[in-house]
Amino acid sequence: AQSVTQPDIHITVSEGASLELRCNYSYGATPYLFWYVQSPGQGLQLLLKYFSGDTLVQGIKGFEAEFKRSQSSFNLRKPSVHWSDAAEYFCAVLEAAGNKLTFGGGTRVLVKP
Amino acid sequence: EAGVTQFPSHSVIEKGQTVTLRCDPISGHDNLYWYRRVMGKEIKFLLHFVKESKQDESGMPNNRFLAERTGGTYSTLKVQPAELEDSGVYFCASSPRMDRVTQYFGPGTRLLVL
Repeated sequence: AQSVTQPDIHITVSEGASLELRCNYSYGATPYLFWYVQSPGQGLQLLLKYFSGDTLVQGIKGFEAEFKRSQSSFNLRKPSVHWSDAAEYFCAVLEAAGNKLTFGGGTRVLVKP
Repeated sequence: EAGVTQFPSHSVIEKGQTVTLRCDPISGHDNLYWYRRVMGKEIKFLLHFVKESKQDESGMPNNRFLAERTGGTYSTLKVQPAELEDSGVYFCASSPRMDRVTQYFGPGTRLLVL
């Protein structure tokens, strides 16, 4: 069965600093990969997705993620964090022929002024 | 274009009572999904509708949960009778037929069973 691991439960970062959130997945083939964000009091918003092609994908709000097949990773990055980026971030995978997302446990990001 | 909407946003009920959650998908989306996140756990898939048909209900925890999607539009998820372990956030998502892999989520319903 496929699984998704987000090793960091909490991350604290200063405003303006860079941010990297880790995501590792376990799956036999290359799945579809997603990052979602849940801001306080909000639902899950899609940040970006990877299906194939260029392994560096750009998303909304200045986020990007890089797919590394050799490491089974899909880490999310942002060069300069804003206070509004404080939220919980979820990595998810979808098997190519499937219909259900498998989520990681989430990483909660706190932004210090 | 309106997003996925869910009602209610919060619900507090006592153990043994019945609760019905509603999800309105994005207009025209054939695919509708239910997920939930219980406290401290991952978000887990519950089931998937294609129009009014249940495509996959492998994630439904037990027969106290009943999901319907009459007419292939909105969906309801009924929990009867509710137990303490049903507390959590219930998310609904939808996707169009031509891009089923990109799921758009609603704000969730926060359910607390006392």
